[in-house]
Amino acid sequence: NAGVTQTPKFQVLKTGQSMTLQCAQDMNHEYMSWYRQDPGMGLRLIHYSVGAGITDQGEVPNGYNVSRSTTEDFPLRLLSAAPSQTSVYFCASRSDPGGVGEKLFFGSGTQLSVL
Amino acid sequence: AQKVTQAQTEISVVEKEDVTLDCVYETRDTTYYLFWYKQPPSGELVFLIRRNSFDEQNEISGRYSWNFQKSTSSFNFTITASQVVDSAVYFCALSRYNQGGKLIFGQGTELSVKP
Repeated sequence: NAGVTQTPKFQVLKTGQSMTLQCAQDMNHEYMSWYRQDPGMGLRLIHYSVGAGITDQGEVPNGYNVSRSTTEDFPLRLLSAAPSQTSVYFCASRSDPGGVGEKLFFGSGTQLSVL
Repeated sequence: AQKVTQAQTEISVVEKEDVTLDCVYETRDTTYYLFWYKQPPSGELVFLIRRNSFDEQNEISGRYSWNFQKSTSSFNFTITASQVVDSAVYFCALSRYNQGGKLIFGQGTELSVKP
């Protein structure tokens, strides 16, 4: 059981480049989300999805796009990377979007540097 | 608005010392969830505990214990007889009762346990 898989683990971009961070889970979870982790700021929610075809913004959505065409996948797109997007990105999932007890399962993270 | 504050940015202790990590939260909700996650140097996020707001019983799990005090909006974490393997960044987080997938994280406390 792989859980939540993120690719790539490391990425270096130049300002203005685009890329997609991949996230896949094999637990049939309805809820998936993306967080970014910055020093001194903890983790902040970027976007989330409560099921295929449904996405919504979190605390820091600007500069990022998401879509959810399948239950398993929730890619995060940077259309025009900026140095302010240098961060560690975590994908997470859980079975019940609004549920009362189950923990979030986190991927291992993607370290992104934008030069 | 919801907020989590971990005022201790870094803590350094010598092995076998006890250490308490502080967590103070703000919410207007009467029902909510509190979490602690551990992030070891390898970078993954490890779930430690979830506590709901209507259960103020303290919890102990081996060398770990948690003290939840609703009156002071605190959810502190104590490691007894610390070990080098406890060295990590620890995050406290809060979620609304019906939004268990949307966590508000504190800034994190970096614990260093020296031999």
